[in-house]
Formats: sequence, structure tokens, C-alpha cells
Amino acid sequence: EAQVTQNPRYLITVTGKKLTVTCSQNMNHEYMSWYRQDPGLGLRQIYYSMNVEVTDKGDVPEGYKVSRKEKRNFPLILESPSPNQTSLYFCASSLLLAGATDTQYFGPGTRLTVL
Amino acid sequence: LAKTTQPISMDSYEGQEVNITCSHNNIATNDYITWYQQFPSQGPRFIIQGYKTKVTNEVASLFIPADRKSSTLSLPRVSLSDTAVYYCLVSGTYKYIFGTGTRLKVLA
Repeated sequence: EAQVTQNPRYLITVTGKKLTVTCSQNMNHEYMSWYRQDPGLGLRQIYYSMNVEVTDKGDVPEGYKVSRKEKRNFPLILESPSPNQTSLYFCASSLLLAGATDTQYFGPGTRLTVL
Repeated sequence: LAKTTQPISMDSYEGQEVNITCSHNNIATNDYITWYQQFPSQGPRFIIQGYKTKVTNEVASLFIPADRKSSTLSLPRVSLSDTAVYYCLVSGTYKYIFGTGTRLKVLA
């Protein structure tokens, strides 16, 4: 089954404790992206990647890191989480078209709480 | 990046046609218009995508006027299960701005 998986689905942590949220897709998609969703603010893009070793900032990259060492995986790293990073996080992937991307497939989400 | 404006919320009754309009005055020549649906605690799901005129698939239609400064998602004969948030997205690059979406509530 074609899918995007995220782990963990729920995480409660404390300020400053480094964490990683994993994202994996089995569709051989070139493009992967991370979003955060907050009440009243919709979905905001954090980082995206167009292929292995190619990443770029989205709208709200501060406080986050990403890496793309394999095509299927795109982990989101919070080196020193703060309470304002409490949010619902979604990973997405898609094929790349000429100059744009195809339909994005989203993962189930990771609900992060930073105390 | 083109910014989009949608109504915050809409109510409808089962069996009615629902039209949700999105304004995107600064759309660029190579931008596409895409609509996503999101249920609570789930990731968005693709509904339809278009560039100009009209696009129809098995679940919705998308109307785009000649100037492309707006688009209208049309959902025929909605049911209770269509209650969700609908996002209009305009992009021709690899960066995306989703906006706050339209919360559609379908009433029995």
C-alpha cells in the first residue's frame, strides 16, 4: 500500500531535549516536505526536499533541521525544542513535475507537546 | 508566492451543491491551483487540480475564470461525510502556502 508513515504519532517532551520525528514514504517520490499545523494558522511549510541531499527552507524553518540521506526518508530534527514548537506536524511526499510538484500525499501526523 | 483568501466557514445541507471560492489575485503564469480536504486529526487529501477553465473528476469540479484570479471548488450533492476543512493552494514552485482553509459543515 502506497503511504507516508510518521513516527512517533504522539510525543510529549521537555524544553531543550533533542528529538527526531521520522518520515518515510514507499512511493519513490523525489519531493518530501514537512508542515506544522496550528489552530487558526492553517498548514505552514517548514522545510522541503527535492531529492537526496537537496533541501530548502519553507515558510517557518527556525528551530528545525532536516536531512535527506535516502530517497524514502526525511526526518525532522528539533535540536532544542521550545514550547512554541508544540504543534501537529505533517510529512508529505510527491513526484516532481517540470517546475512544480504533483499531488502531495500526507502522513497521519505527529502531535508534539513541548513542556 | 500567491496568497489565497477563502471564507472561514460555510454551512450546507445534505444533497445540496456547495461552491467554495478562493481568491488569488497575485497568481503567476506558471502557478497551478490545487484543492485539498482535511478531516480532523488527519493529513490533507488531494481533491482536484487545475490551471485554467474547468476540471472535473469523480468527486468535484474546479472552475477557473480566464483571468485566473479566483477559483471555485464545486462539490455536488454533499453528504455528512463531506464535513471537513478545504484548502485552496496556489503554487508553481516547490514552496507551498496553504492558508487557513474553509471549514465546511454539512447538516442533516
